[in-house]
Amino acid sequence: SQQGEEDPQALSIQEGENATMNCSYKTSINNLQWYRQNSGRGLVHLILIRSNEREKHSGRLRVTLDTSKKSSSLLITASRAADTASYFCATSGGSNYKLTFGKGTLLTVNP
Amino acid sequence: NAGVTQTPKFQVLKTGQSMTLQCAQDMNHNSMYWYRQDPGMGLRLIYYSASEGTTDKGEVPNGYNVSRLNKREFSLRLESAAPSQTSVYFCASSEATGVSPLHFGNGTRLTVT
Repeated sequence: SQQGEEDPQALSIQEGENATMNCSYKTSINNLQWYRQNSGRGLVHLILIRSNEREKHSGRLRVTLDTSKKSSSLLITASRAADTASYFCATSGGSNYKLTFGKGTLLTVNP
Repeated sequence: NAGVTQTPKFQVLKTGQSMTLQCAQDMNHNSMYWYRQDPGMGLRLIYYSASEGTTDKGEVPNGYNVSRLNKREFSLRLESAAPSQTSVYFCASSEATGVSPLHFGNGTRLTVT
């Protein structure tokens, strides 16, 4: 069963705008990870945030985690056409620490 | 740096045929995984290997078998392919299960007719 669910399913913005994607999950987690997938390619890891962390930054990416609401958000600032991709959240929890992926948000950045 | 290498990139099978998808990583990772990706379904874990010599079922293991041949290689076998196994298959590896990032190959696009 899917653990993380991204929202929205699709997002279209103009270059230079900020993009925010959300992820909700159902059970307690050890960590939450965000990945990017360009069309026809494998997933690329962006950020890992642990359950005891609230915010992490990497370049133009900002991830927040609210364990009380069981949700996370990924903010991409000053978006570029090259940011066009699908973005997935993945959660790790339980005794076996397997990663479970959501269905993704398709981000389109228009030049 | 090759990272995770999957072969073949594309494959067409007839129902009932068998095939093995190959995966190799050169990052000395302990854990390896096979996922399938279907439209609207996200990625679903088929099998994983937390360390050399061990394999475990994921969310959708039926119709598949795996072999962790050594620390580098993790293969996925379809014994009798079915149209429901038409999908894109991704192999991934990580230093440890669930606590470190996954590194993905570029996928194998499989069509079963």
